[in-house]
Amino acid sequence: AQTVTQSQPEMSVQEAETVTLSCTYDTSESDYYLFWYKQPPSRQMILVIRQEAYKQQNATENRFSVNFQKAAKSFSLKISDSQLGDAAMYFCAYRTYNNNDMRFGAGTRLTVKP
Amino acid sequence: DAGVTQSPTHLIKTRGQHVTLRCSPISGHKSVSWYQQVLGQGPQFIFQYYEKEERGRGNFPDRFSARQFPNYSSELNVNALLLGDSALYLCASSFTQFGSYEQYFGPGTRLTVT
Repeated sequence: AQTVTQSQPEMSVQEAETVTLSCTYDTSESDYYLFWYKQPPSRQMILVIRQEAYKQQNATENRFSVNFQKAAKSFSLKISDSQLGDAAMYFCAYRTYNNNDMRFGAGTRLTVKP
Repeated sequence: DAGVTQSPTHLIKTRGQHVTLRCSPISGHKSVSWYQQVLGQGPQFIFQYYEKEERGRGNFPDRFSARQFPNYSSELNVNALLLGDSALYLCASSFTQFGSYEQYFGPGTRLTVT
């Protein structure tokens, strides 16, 4: 069964500093996608970044980047120059190419201190 | 363009009752997925509908059902409500069914069962 594990229930970072959120997953599939979603108190899930498993290059979106280690089944999110607006729940998610069932981790609550 | 919309925003029901939740996808999106997010957990996949047909179903009892209309909007129905059905119900739309599509989430419906 495909499972996603986020081992950090809560994380805290000082404004303008860098923080890394961890995610591991378990799968026997070779083609899949990995996602990081942000869920602020408004509840709306927002896609932060996406990684295709066949791509060796780590995805980057402005201040957000991932460290994708396929062999280790690890997919961490690095947030650089943290801003107060980055405070939210962050969910790691997994989906295979032709399966509609997206699996989410339990989430990491990120606090940004001014 | 309007994003994914869901109604109602909040709902309080009594055990044993029935509930209908509604979702309107982004214009042009033909796929709608439903997720249940229990407090403190990540979303869990319930259904996906594409072109008005069920394309995927998560591990939920038959009390949960859904349908998609010709305009691609969708309803999620839950019969014989249990206390454990209290959760945030998220709807997500996407242009297509498979592949590296991005799912856009609505703000959710908060269901409380008493």
